[in-house]
Amino acid sequence: AQKVTQAQTEISVVEKEDVTLDCVYETRDTTYYLFWYKQPPSGELVFLIRRNSFDEQNEISGRYSWNFQKSTSSFNFTITASQVVDSAVYFCALSDPSNDYKLSFGAGTTVTVRA
Amino acid sequence: SAVISQKPSRDICQRGTSLTIQCQVDSQVTMMFWYRQQPGQSLTLIATANQGSEATYESGFVIDKFPISRPNLTFSTLTVSNMSPEDSSIYLCSVAGAAKSGLADTQYFGPGTRLTVL
Repeated sequence: AQKVTQAQTEISVVEKEDVTLDCVYETRDTTYYLFWYKQPPSGELVFLIRRNSFDEQNEISGRYSWNFQKSTSSFNFTITASQVVDSAVYFCALSDPSNDYKLSFGAGTTVTVRA
Repeated sequence: SAVISQKPSRDICQRGTSLTIQCQVDSQVTMMFWYRQQPGQSLTLIATANQGSEATYESGFVIDKFPISRPNLTFSTLTVSNMSPEDSSIYLCSVAGAAKSGLADTQYFGPGTRLTVL
């Protein structure tokens, strides 16, 4: 069975601080995909990144970066120099092709960036 | 990614009534899903909407309560039947396998429908 754990329920930072969101996953499959989604107060779910299990390269996109470590089953997300617009709930999720790509979501981490 | 719209964006309904939510995609997609997000909670998959056949429901969800249609590759509906206050949630559709994105293994989400049941 798949499981995604986001241990941090809420994180509050002051603008320009860095913030790291933790994600730990469990799966018995060798092929799987990891995702991060952002849900701002308006409610829509915005896709941020997809990473497959065979690609452990870290990725950077602007102020966002992701660290994937299979050895610790973690897929952490860092926002550098946070801004007020980064305030949202962030979800980590896992899927695998043998399960028709159904997503298993973590509980989510609420990030509040104060001006 | 595909452009996904949902109608209505929000609604307030009376107990015992039913509401049908529509999900429209601007391109043909292989897979469509329906999720529920209860207040302050994460997303839970309700069912996979299969084109031309009955939806596949997850444990805890049944067709009588959440009938789903998918008449073609760009459209699906979810009905929340005989509603109670416990059905107050955000309902989101998602799609995967859109030709535009080229990523069949990534789900993209619609804007959601905020439902309040009184």
